[in-house]
Amino acid sequence: QKEVEQNSGPLSVPEGAIASLNCTYSDRGSQSFFWYRQYSGKSPELIMSIYSNGDKEDGRFTAQLNKASQYVSLLIRDSQPSDSATYLCAVLFRSNDYKLSFGAGTTVTVRA
Amino acid sequence: EADIYQTPRYLVIGTGKKITLECSQTMGHDKMYWYQQDPGMELHLIHYSYGVNSTEKGDLSSESTVSRIRTEHFPLTLESARPSHTSQYLCASSGPVGGYEQYFGPGTRLTVT
Repeated sequence: QKEVEQNSGPLSVPEGAIASLNCTYSDRGSQSFFWYRQYSGKSPELIMSIYSNGDKEDGRFTAQLNKASQYVSLLIRDSQPSDSATYLCAVLFRSNDYKLSFGAGTTVTVRA
Repeated sequence: EADIYQTPRYLVIGTGKKITLECSQTMGHDKMYWYQQDPGMELHLIHYSYGVNSTEKGDLSSESTVSRIRTEHFPLTLESARPSHTSQYLCASSGPVGGYEQYFGPGTRLTVT
């Protein structure tokens, strides 16, 4: 079982719709969770971090964390073609020397 | 402006050559990382460092080596490049103490012919 699992994708949504990305993780003691956006051929860019249960909103992005269910999600509201990218979920594992474990990523395509 | 830099951005080199990929950050971060990523594939951690004179191997075995003599500098060296080393190499940093969100450099795309 992988430490961090994401929707296999690809996810195709129409412009203006909500894109919903899911991520589950294996270490119940994890405290820190991150979402990165990676455009094709570019390096990952940090877009959200979340540490407490509940929702955290930043512009059109909302991260949701449920530690009891070991689940973190990212919602992209009013999706734009510029949101087309691969989204990586990353979890900090204390049991892994405080290294980030990355999911394989979910590729999102926003149709104009 | 605080940032993380990688040079060269692109490198095409012949088999058997020694190469060093440079990574520097001006963010005052104590932790630095090297990842390898093939196109469309997952990120794989190959080396990390939590401070000067401290380096560890990552989750993916790599023939490369690293050094951390200065806080801001974390170079990666391949003694003898092979075509199997062709990949994108991404450097990242995090910190200061207590901060674990990682910020990535632009990457070096290495092609070994």
